[in-house]
Amino acid sequence: KQEVTQIPAALSVPEGENLVLNCSFTDSAIYNLQWFRQDPGKGLTSLLLIQSSQREQTSGRLNASLDKSSGRSTLYIAASQPGDSATYLCAVRGETSGSRLTFGEGTQLTVNP
Amino acid sequence: NAGVTQTPKFRILKIGQSMTLQCAQDMNHNYMYWYRQDPGMGLKLIYYSVGAGITDKGEVPNGYNVSRSTTEDFPLRLELAAPSQTSVYFCASTDRITTYQPQHFGDGTRLSIL
Repeated sequence: KQEVTQIPAALSVPEGENLVLNCSFTDSAIYNLQWFRQDPGKGLTSLLLIQSSQREQTSGRLNASLDKSSGRSTLYIAASQPGDSATYLCAVRGETSGSRLTFGEGTQLTVNP
Repeated sequence: NAGVTQTPKFRILKIGQSMTLQCAQDMNHNYMYWYRQDPGMGLKLIYYSVGAGITDKGEVPNGYNVSRSTTEDFPLRLELAAPSQTSVYFCASTDRITTYQPQHFGDGTRLSIL
């Protein structure tokens, strides 16, 4: 059974700092890994999706990397801003799970002005 | 751009009552999903559907039922509500299961069972 773990559970940083969020998964047989952002009282917004054959994806100040063999992904946020404050979730789609996703518990990020 | 629409946004139920959570998408997506999110936790899959008339159980289906009579709608029914079903419920959809299609989420229904 796939298990996804995110570390840390919560993170508080001053504005402008570069930061890294971590995601690990137990079964490396995956199609892809997604990073989502969740704002309070809202649904999930897909930030980046990395295919199993890819090493990284970039969107603006966000960079996600994937090391499939070791079961790890990182989300790097450059020059953090207060507007980045949210919960970040990673989810994997396994090769034997059809279209279903397995989610981590999330990292709650607070960027202080 | 409506995307995925969930109703209601909030609801309080008494133990033993039943209700239906509504989910509709206007993107003509074949694949739809229901998740629940407990405080401080990730999302757990309740039920999913790969097309009209086809549904299947996810990780935590007990106490719930679904139907998929149209491509657009995927309602989730709670029978005999229990306090353990207090949670935030999210509906999601995606077009195909090609590896680069993300899931699109609604804003959630916050349900309390008292």
